[in-house]
Amino acid sequence: GAGVSQSPSNKVTEKGKDVELRCDPISGHTALYWYRQSLGQGLEFLIYFQGNSAPDKSGLPSDRFSAERTGGSVSTLTIQRTQQEDSAVYLCASSLAPGNSPLHFGNGTRLTVT
Amino acid sequence: SQQGEEDPQALSIQEGENATMNCSYKTSINNLQWYRQNSGRGLVHLILIRSNEREKHSGRLRVTLDTSKKSSSLLITASRAADTASYFCATDTGTASKLTFGTGTRLQVTL
Repeated sequence: GAGVSQSPSNKVTEKGKDVELRCDPISGHTALYWYRQSLGQGLEFLIYFQGNSAPDKSGLPSDRFSAERTGGSVSTLTIQRTQQEDSAVYLCASSLAPGNSPLHFGNGTRLTVT
Repeated sequence: SQQGEEDPQALSIQEGENATMNCSYKTSINNLQWYRQNSGRGLVHLILIRSNEREKHSGRLRVTLDTSKKSSSLLITASRAADTASYFCATDTGTASKLTFGTGTRLQVTL
């Protein structure tokens, strides 16, 4: 079946503009994660959704970042008033259930803020 | 902050040699996972080892876990050029149910 799909694959935007990044998880996966990876660095946790529970937003770096997951499936990560330091690859992952389940990653969205 | 730290940061070996990467972490874990990332791609899950396990094998991969030292190692035997990638460990503490990733080891396998 299809894996995790992210769009767009690349996004170039001007400083101050808003951007939306989309993630389509694997069907039936209840857990969905967003991570951010700066060039040559590890992964920085942003936000986690599990079923109908309140999301874990503890990793969002500022109030310019928000995310939602509609109908327990597709998720959108929104960055308002983008800054140059927001430039990174944004990775989405899903898993069958939290804990003891491997994460399946999309190929990411490379965001460049000019 | 990073829960896991990989060592070394970069490793260059010749095809056929074995590659060993280490991961240290700070707090108690539920399980530890290893992932691989090819350039420009997402991460791919390699192996998961639970806190009550000490060693696990998958093909040419061997993972060990020492919870007393809060460390894990990933051994790739008989490496191939196609193994060239970055390798990350990730820890699941079982509380927030989010994986925390280390900084990665960049492995280069040359012919």
